[in-house]
Amino acid sequence: EDQVTQSPEALRLQEGESSSLNCSYTVSGLRGLFWYRQDPGKGPEFLFTLYSAGEEKEKERLKATLTKKESFLHITAPKPEDSATYLCAVTNFGNEKLTFGTGTRLTIIP
Amino acid sequence: DSGVTQTPKHLITATGQRVTLRCSPRSGDLSVYWYQQSLDQGLQFLIQYYNGEERAKGNILERFSAQQFPDLHSELNLSSLELGDSALYFCASSVSGTATYEQYFGPGTRLTVT
Repeated sequence: EDQVTQSPEALRLQEGESSSLNCSYTVSGLRGLFWYRQDPGKGPEFLFTLYSAGEEKEKERLKATLTKKESFLHITAPKPEDSATYLCAVTNFGNEKLTFGTGTRLTIIP
Repeated sequence: DSGVTQTPKHLITATGQRVTLRCSPRSGDLSVYWYQQSLDQGLQFLIQYYNGEERAKGNILERFSAQQFPDLHSELNLSSLELGDSALYFCASSVSGTATYEQYFGPGTRLTVT
């Protein structure tokens, strides 16, 4: 069964203090690794899809990278509006369901 | 705005009752997925429909059922409700069958069972 583990559970940063969130995965044939952002009480917002080891994608202050065992979401010079829970999910070649990790709750302090 | 709509936003009902949650996918998307998010379980896949047919099933209880209609909207039916069914229920949609199959989520329905 596919498994996704995210760390840390929670992270507090000062505005402008860069850091990384980790997503470790075990999957029977990775089809795609996904990053979502979720604000309290809202639906997950799609950020990135990564398909193969070595792939990187960027969007504003966020950069996602992928290895054969884990993915990192790097946040550079974060702002308070980046505060949210960041979710990692995987799909395998057997079906299209997303298997989610429990997320990292990120708080950026002004 | 993801383009996926869900109604109602909030639902409060009593144990033993039955409710229906509705989802309209993004224009052009053929697949609809249902997920449950509770505090202790995180986001869990329930079921997927593709162009009106059931395609994949997750840990969906027998008391729960879903369907997708010819206009591609979907409904999730929850019956004999228990306190533990209180959760956020999300619908997502995707194109499916292509290289790009990101799932876009709706705003969710918050179900409270009292």
